[in-house]
Amino acid sequence: NAGVTQTPKFRVLKTGQSMTLLCAQDMNHEYMYWYRQDPGMGLRLIHYSVGEGTTAKGEVPDGYNVSRLKKQNFLLGLESAAPSQTSVYFCASSYSTQTSGSPDTQYFGPGTRLTVL
Amino acid sequence: RKEVEQDPGPFNVPEGATVAFNCTYSNSASQSFFWYRQDCRKEPKLLMSVYSSGNEDGRFTAQLNRASQYISLLIRDSKLSDSATYLCVVTNQAGTALIFGKGTTLSVSS
Repeated sequence: NAGVTQTPKFRVLKTGQSMTLLCAQDMNHEYMYWYRQDPGMGLRLIHYSVGEGTTAKGEVPDGYNVSRLKKQNFLLGLESAAPSQTSVYFCASSYSTQTSGSPDTQYFGPGTRLTVL
Repeated sequence: RKEVEQDPGPFNVPEGATVAFNCTYSNSASQSFFWYRQDCRKEPKLLMSVYSSGNEDGRFTAQLNRASQYISLLIRDSKLSDSATYLCVVTNQAGTALIFGKGTTLSVSS
């Protein structure tokens, strides 16, 4: 199993450009997440999905869109990149717990380092 | 009150020391609790889940106090390899996602 993979690993954009980050998992997890991590800010949830075809906003959703057309993939889009979106982006996936339906252990991808000039 | 609060540290300890980290959370309905470990410029990885009765994994012990909405992690006999940032994690208000604390940095020196 590859676990959680992210594409690309690094990217440099100019302000106003668009791009899509791809996250793929081969563990048949229901839940998938996109986080950004900035120095001193910790991990902040951007968007998440509790199943194929569903998405929901997290803590910092503005400027991002997501899609979950297939269970194994979760895409994060930046329509018009801004320097404030320079960050490390982590994707994660998890099962839901059988008892409460809450997310179980999250498995993370290696991250995408994005710089917006 | 922030959803998950941790002392950022850093905690600087010698090898062999015992160190404890604390975490408070605001959502009394949270169902799942975890400690994750993150090494510099790497992805977070699960260290251990935290159960109501408390649990131990080798040198690591986690405790949960639901009444005080408090989670702790105790590391005994610290190793150089324990140097990392430790993240406290709880379920969000809706129970659909995990919320991460900003982390506590541990540095173990010889």
